[in-house]
Amino acid sequence: EVQLVESGGGLVQPGGSLRLSCAASGFILKNYWMHWVRQVPGKGLVWVARMNKDGSRTDHADSVRGRFTISRDNAKNTLYLQMNSLRADDAALYYCVKDFVGTEEFWGQGILVTVSS
Amino acid sequence: QSVLTQPPSAFGTPGQSVTISCSGTNSNVGRDNVYWYQQLPGTAPKLLIYNDNRRPSGVPDRFSGSKSGTSASLDIRGLQSEDEADYYCAAWDGSLGGYVFGTGTMVIVL
Repeated sequence: EVQLVESGGGLVQPGGSLRLSCAASGFILKNYWMHWVRQVPGKGLVWVARMNKDGSRTDHADSVRGRFTISRDNAKNTLYLQMNSLRADDAALYYCVKDFVGTEEFWGQGILVTVSS
Repeated sequence: QSVLTQPPSAFGTPGQSVTISCSGTNSNVGRDNVYWYQQLPGTAPKLLIYNDNRRPSGVPDRFSGSKSGTSASLDIRGLQSEDEADYYCAAWDGSLGGYVFGTGTMVIVL
């Protein structure tokens, strides 16, 4: 059974940092592009970042470029999102997504990030 | 941050058809594939349509997608109460270098 379990969220002050993790099971992580998508509860979806299968290529949304970094450890079957210089508008539910827009797409349950002083 | 424009809501009675539009530009809808998502309350989004008009395994054929130029549409035929959800379009934007989502449409089954 495919599972994606996000962790590392919580409350952080503006300007602070968090690292989200996404533990994958039931499939081989290195065979898929992986993405992060976020959503403010009650609002729309926002694509955040993606990384290719071997980790050699990344793309980040304009709104997070230079502050967030997606990475992966295929040996540990884990995806990460390092979030620095957090702002109030980064507060959201962050989803880890396998094969986004693909036929084998799968979403985690999401992890909440709150940015507040 | 939403680059693709959708109507905020759409209404229909059981059995009717509903069409949701998604308006973009030549940087996204006009140059790349369009995807459609369904998000039921309290759940993660689910891919309904990929590559403009293809359905993943398990998605009923009541759902269909189309595209013309810089606009795309999702049609839901034979509306059912369980179709009441938020629907989002998405596409790669070559100018922004990332995926963009639509503003979202809430489908209400009367």
